[in-house]
Amino acid sequence: GAVVSQHPSRVICKSGTSVKIECRSLDFQATTMFWYRQFPKKSLMLMATSNEGSKATYEQGVEKDKFLINHASLTLSTLTVTSAHPEDSSFYICSAREVLVKEQFFGPGTRLTVL
Amino acid sequence: SQQGEEDPQALSIQEGENATMNCSYKTSINNLQWYRQNSGRGLVHLILIRSNEREKHSGRLRVTLDTSKKSSSLLITASRAADTASYFCATDEGIVSGGSNYKLTFGKGTLLTVNP
Repeated sequence: GAVVSQHPSRVICKSGTSVKIECRSLDFQATTMFWYRQFPKKSLMLMATSNEGSKATYEQGVEKDKFLINHASLTLSTLTVTSAHPEDSSFYICSAREVLVKEQFFGPGTRLTVL
Repeated sequence: SQQGEEDPQALSIQEGENATMNCSYKTSINNLQWYRQNSGRGLVHLILIRSNEREKHSGRLRVTLDTSKKSSSLLITASRAADTASYFCATDEGIVSGGSNYKLTFGKGTLLTVNP
């Protein structure tokens, strides 16, 4: 089956630093990747949609300069949280979708803690 | 905005019982999907039901869709302790299914606890 990995699984950083999270589709080419944020015991909130080779489309209320998304290849997308603050602490989940397939395959998530 | 709204928010049952979770949505959809999430983990796709389908089965899972009421239900039969997880519905409301504006909108989820 389709597998999506995320790295790192957990990261703790100091306030003001930047953190990069990688999302990889391991056995398929992902033309579209999605980044979600999830607060404890809450639902997933879509942050942005990225298509390979083009700029990401951000959802309303998500700062594109704060959350930099790069989808440079068909198997890799990265999310960089710039100048992280404690309120950025959350569970970040990516998903990937293959062309013509309706199903999204989700990564295991990255727990970000900003001190 | 949140499209899907699951109810109940939390459900606790004994092993062997059936669990039913409901999801309501507000706009027209192309399909509706159910996902499972274990605590602190990623999502696992369970089942997809298209807007022109009324019922679908997969193992111990049964999903129904009523587009006139804009609602869906997920039934897990003969539950097991390992079924303990959060369950989310997600709607694909893109104008063109799978098109460039495709995205999933998730509900708030139902936390299912199956007691051994």
